[in-house]
Amino acid sequence: EAQVTQNPRYLITVTGKKLTVTCSQNMNHEYMSWYRQDPGLGLRQIYYSMNVEVTDKGDVPEGYKVSRKEKRNFPLILESPSPNQTSLYFCASSSASGRRRPGELFFGEGSRLTVL
Amino acid sequence: DAKTTQPPSMDCAEGRAANLPCNHSTISGNEYVYWYRQIHSQGPQYIIHGLKNNETNEMASLIITEDRKSSTLILPHATLRDTAVYYCIVRVAGMNTGFQKLVFGTGTRLLVSP
Repeated sequence: EAQVTQNPRYLITVTGKKLTVTCSQNMNHEYMSWYRQDPGLGLRQIYYSMNVEVTDKGDVPEGYKVSRKEKRNFPLILESPSPNQTSLYFCASSSASGRRRPGELFFGEGSRLTVL
Repeated sequence: DAKTTQPPSMDCAEGRAANLPCNHSTISGNEYVYWYRQIHSQGPQYIIHGLKNNETNEMASLIITEDRKSSTLILPHATLRDTAVYYCIVRVAGMNTGFQKLVFGTGTRLLVSP
């Protein structure tokens, strides 16, 4: 089954304790991206990656890092989490060569992060 | 800033058609209109997309105006399970430019009532 898998789905942590949210897709997609969703602000893009070793900032990259060492994985790293990073996070992937639905984004189920 | 404008909320009676508008007045000639929906706090799901012609699939219809500055998503017979937030986005469907910053905005919250 084609899917985007995020882990953990729920996490409560404390300020300053480094954490990583993993994202993996099994569709051989070139493009992957991270979003955060906060009440009243919709989905905002954090980082995206066009392919292995190619990443770039979205609209709200501050406080986050990413890496793309393998095509299937795109982890989101919070080196020193702060309470304003409490949010619902989504990973998404897409392929440019999808003939039926070019550019369709596939989303993970989300990771709800609370930073105390 | 979002390149699309949607009403924040809409109501619809169960069984009736839900027509969700989207303005994208600055759309470029090679940009597609995509619609996604998000039920509760699940990951958004693709509904439909189009370039200039009207499109229909098993979920919905998409009507794009001739000048392409606006579009309407139509759910022909809304059910309670269609209650969700609907996002309209515009993007180029290609690796060189279309996969960069994707602005979802805040969408339209559709409430389908019995």
